[in-house]
Amino acid sequence: GNSVTQMEGPVTLSEEAFLTINCTYTATGYPSLFWYVQYPGEGLQLLLKATKADDKGSNKGFEATYRKETTSFHLEKGSVQVSDSAVYFCALMRGAGSYQLTFGKGTKLSVIP
Amino acid sequence: AAGVIQSPRHLIKEKRETATLKCYPIPRHDTVYWYQQGPGQDPQFLISFYEKMQSDKGSIPDRFSAQQFSDYHSELNMSSLELGDSALYFCASSPSGGSYEQYFGPGTRLTVT
Repeated sequence: GNSVTQMEGPVTLSEEAFLTINCTYTATGYPSLFWYVQYPGEGLQLLLKATKADDKGSNKGFEATYRKETTSFHLEKGSVQVSDSAVYFCALMRGAGSYQLTFGKGTKLSVIP
Repeated sequence: AAGVIQSPRHLIKEKRETATLKCYPIPRHDTVYWYQQGPGQDPQFLISFYEKMQSDKGSIPDRFSAQQFSDYHSELNMSSLELGDSALYFCASSPSGGSYEQYFGPGTRLTVT
């Protein structure tokens, strides 16, 4: 079946530090990959996506590259801010008639001034 | 921009009662998805509808049912509530014929006592 594995948190970083959150997946076919962010008390917001191998998704300084050879979609940001503190979820959509999202367990990021 | 609307935002019920959660998708989105997120957990897919027909089914208990109406809004009906049903319930919507990106509502927090 489909699954997503994320690095466990929580992750605590100082402002302006470099961020990496690892994500690997197991899926048949060619899934689309997503990163969602959840701020405290809020719903899930789509952060970025990639729909095929070697695609790079980017938004608000965050980036992730779809690596089929390593089945990975790691999230990176060069310089985090306090406002980036949230829970980050990696997710996949298998496609081909099945459009449900399968999420990882989430990684809580705290950025301290 | 218009977002997904969910009501109510908070709901408290007792065991064995019933609950109805409503979801109003983004205008011109014809697909609706329901997810359940337990405390500290990742969202789990329950069920989805496309053009008022069930399109996919996940780990939805038999005590739950859902439908999509002619105006594309959707309702999740939950009966014989159990303590374990306490969770955040998210609705998401997406337009068809494209990347199937899902846009999430703010969620309904259901507490069963």
